[in-house]
Amino acid sequence: GAVVSQHPSRVICKSGTSVKIECRSLDFQATTMFWYRQFPKQSLMLMATSNEGSKATYEQGVEKDKFLINHASLTLSTLTVTSAHPEDSSFYICSARSQYIYGYTFGSGTRLTVV
Amino acid sequence: AQSVSQHNHHVILSEAASLELGCNYSYGGTVNLFWYVQYPGQHLQLLLKYFSGDPLVKGIKGFEAEFIKSKFSFNLRKPSVQWSDTAEYFCAVHKAAGNKLTFGGGTRVLVKP
Repeated sequence: GAVVSQHPSRVICKSGTSVKIECRSLDFQATTMFWYRQFPKQSLMLMATSNEGSKATYEQGVEKDKFLINHASLTLSTLTVTSAHPEDSSFYICSARSQYIYGYTFGSGTRLTVV
Repeated sequence: AQSVSQHNHHVILSEAASLELGCNYSYGGTVNLFWYVQYPGQHLQLLLKYFSGDPLVKGIKGFEAEFIKSKFSFNLRKPSVQWSDTAEYFCAVHKAAGNKLTFGGGTRVLVKP
């Protein structure tokens, strides 16, 4: 079945630095990728939607300059958290969708801790 | 904007008990509905989905859900739970012609052995 690989699974970074999270669709072409954020004991909140080769569409309240999303190929999307602060600490999850596979395939998530 | 409500935040039950988790959504148009499960330390997995047709949907691991359009509901059920069903369960909805998946707040289920 469709598999999405997300790396790293955990990352700790210092305040002010940037962190890149990768999301790869391993056995299908993901025309659309989604990035979610999940705070402890809360639900997934959609941050942005990206289509291959296009600029990402950000949800209201999500800073596009802080959370840089690149979807340069049909199998790879990256989320870069720039100038990270402790309040950016969260669980980030990507999801991919193909025009041929209906439904969404989720990555295993990245736990970001900013110290 | 569409929203998804899961009424129970935490559910604790014993093995072999029956489980029902409520899910209501606010969008009035045609929707596609999903239930996902997140086992401790694992990623989201699809339990079942509804697009059209029979409103009673069978999923994996003995789960089923019933779409009641008049009540805007898509409740998840399992007749007899096992300890391994301990997880967090998320209901999700998107417009049939849309691309944005909206999640409910999740329900943490603890099954005591």
